[in-house]
Amino acid sequence: GENVEQHPSTLSVQEGDSAVIKCTYSDSASNYFPWYKQELGKRPQLIIDIRSNVGEKKDQRIAVTLNKTAKHFSLHITETQPEDSAVYFCAATGSYGNNRLAFGKGNQVVVIP
Amino acid sequence: DVKVTQSSRYLVKRTGEKVFLECVQDMDHENMFWYRQDPGLGLRLIYFSYDVKMKEKGDIPEGYSVSREKKERFSLILESASTNQTSMYLCASSLYVNNQPQHFGDGTRLSIL
Repeated sequence: GENVEQHPSTLSVQEGDSAVIKCTYSDSASNYFPWYKQELGKRPQLIIDIRSNVGEKKDQRIAVTLNKTAKHFSLHITETQPEDSAVYFCAATGSYGNNRLAFGKGNQVVVIP
Repeated sequence: DVKVTQSSRYLVKRTGEKVFLECVQDMDHENMFWYRQDPGLGLRLIYFSYDVKMKEKGDIPEGYSVSREKKERFSLILESASTNQTSMYLCASSLYVNNQPQHFGDGTRLSIL
């Protein structure tokens, strides 16, 4: 099956700086890569996703880049704010089908005011 | 907006009890998923279903079963609860079409005493 790894496990940034989280995946058949944000005590919520036919996607202060050759994709958050503090999960489809996803273990992002 | 509703936010049960966790979605999604979330281990898939009465094992199905009698409802069953099943349980749903995001419920924090 698909194996997704996230680095680093914890990331602390000063408010206003950028944060970058990188995920690697193992199955070259993966073609959909969502990112979820989970605030403390809340549900994981989709914040951005990318499909394998594009290399980059942006939505205001967040962006995702995909390198299919190297099998990694990254989440970029610019101008970080305290409300960006959360756990972020990346995921990939592998060759499972039925929209089954393999999730990484999550990154704790702490934005220091 | 997709709404995935889990019947309980907090649940306390005793070892050996049969436990039912219920999940309902209102978006006519074909796929439904049950995850377990533990600190440092991310989201691990227990079971999923892609149609009524259909089910497939995920990565950690031991000690669990599921039921999907109606399209909108997916139940997770702990046949004989044990203390190592104390965890946060998350339900999710998605469309059948590939490369679509999963939408999560608020989770059930289950404690087995």
